[in-house]
Amino acid sequence: EIVLTQSPGTLSLSPGERATLSCRASQTINSIHLAWYQKKPGQGPRLLIYAASSRATGIPDRFSGSGSGTDFTLTINRLEPEDFAIYYCQQYGGSPSFTFGPGTKIDIK
Amino acid sequence: QVHLEESGGGVVRPGGSLRLSCPASGFVFGSFGMHWLRQSPGKGLEWLSFINYDGSKTYYRDSVRGRFTISRDNAKNTLYLQLSSLRIDDTAMYYCAKAPNAGGYFHFWGQGTLVTVSS
Repeated sequence: EIVLTQSPGTLSLSPGERATLSCRASQTINSIHLAWYQKKPGQGPRLLIYAASSRATGIPDRFSGSGSGTDFTLTINRLEPEDFAIYYCQQYGGSPSFTFGPGTKIDIK
Repeated sequence: QVHLEESGGGVVRPGGSLRLSCPASGFVFGSFGMHWLRQSPGKGLEWLSFINYDGSKTYYRDSVRGRFTISRDNAKNTLYLQLSSLRIDDTAMYYCAKAPNAGGYFHFWGQGTLVTVSS
């Protein structure tokens, strides 16, 4: 099973700053099978990015995804107050099989 | 817009059963596969099960196969998850999620329903 590792565990930033979140896979994965989600307390996760770099419908363009192979990045430009949340990466391994990373929390500095 | 709303969670003894429901709206329910997932503090987010658009194909993660059963009623636009032989480590928030047309991700999620397994 492919293991996803996210870093850092917590990112302390101020509104207006840029957030750079990392997701590393234990094996090479197909970029089309890598997604990112935002999770806020009391809510279900919200799809942000699929296929590593495609924004989901309604997601602001300050969110962008990149990467390939084993290293993927979610970048949030100009953090807004509503962006302080936990972010998860997820990969699809066929069969079907899906795994998530442990998450990166962005909190207010 | 897409709306999914899980219900049926609660407190149950080890070995007990529960049936979770997920009524859906805002899309043609009978045209899409659906998933169940859960999140617990100890294990993070876990995919549990998938059912295809007409219910003819189902898939499970190993740890729940034989204990959990996914089903759907397209006439009622509702997804179900029957939980049986529950264990303490099944304690989690359970989510239903809509599959996309294609791709291995989770397009829309509900807000979740909490299942607590405790003696």
